[in-house]
Amino acid sequence: AQSVTQLGSHVSVSEGALVLLRCNYSSSVPPYLFWYVQYPNQGLQLLLKYTTGATLVKGINGFEAEFKKSETSFHLTKPSAHMSDAAEYFCAVSGNNQGGKLIFGQGTELSVKP
Amino acid sequence: GAVVSQHPSWVICKSGTSVKIECRSLDFQATTMFWYRQFPKQSLMLMATSNEGSKATYEQGVEKDKFLINHASLTLSTLTVTSAHPEDSSFYICSARDLSSTSYEQYFGPGTRLTVT
Repeated sequence: AQSVTQLGSHVSVSEGALVLLRCNYSSSVPPYLFWYVQYPNQGLQLLLKYTTGATLVKGINGFEAEFKKSETSFHLTKPSAHMSDAAEYFCAVSGNNQGGKLIFGQGTELSVKP
Repeated sequence: GAVVSQHPSWVICKSGTSVKIECRSLDFQATTMFWYRQFPKQSLMLMATSNEGSKATYEQGVEKDKFLINHASLTLSTLTVTSAHPEDSSFYICSARDLSSTSYEQYFGPGTRLTVT
């Protein structure tokens, strides 16, 4: 079985500060890991994904995440927050034993203060 | 590329009526589409997995006779909420997997806001 835990339902940072959103996963098979962003009343947009290979993954809008197998983590970071980064962020896991299903974390709401 | 559309984007209907929501992959073929439901300030709840040309697979606790899913082609899946009631009011989101993708990535539609009065 697979599961995802996002630590912190709400994170608040100042504009220009480091953004760190935490995600830990559980998986009995090699995981595929994803970060999605959702703006109010919209669908989800893929920020980045890890499948195989390089463990540091760069995504859109300056975000990146590092797959750490030993820590079962896939934390999302951005060096400098922008006001437009305020949104809901979801970490998700999938693998070849789930029929393509994505298992989502609870989500983290990111607020950016001016 | 990899655009998924949903129609309508919002709908208001009276209790007891049925509502159909369409999900289309615009620039790729999708053998598998997924339907999610999202309550305010909550994560996405998978309702069912829709495979082209076969019956949908529903998650535990989801009433298949209430939420009818049809995946008639490689670019279109529909969700029909039958005999809708106020408790069915929610944000419904579909996603699609690219036929050619091996990474299980899903592309999401913009969502449909359903309000049942």
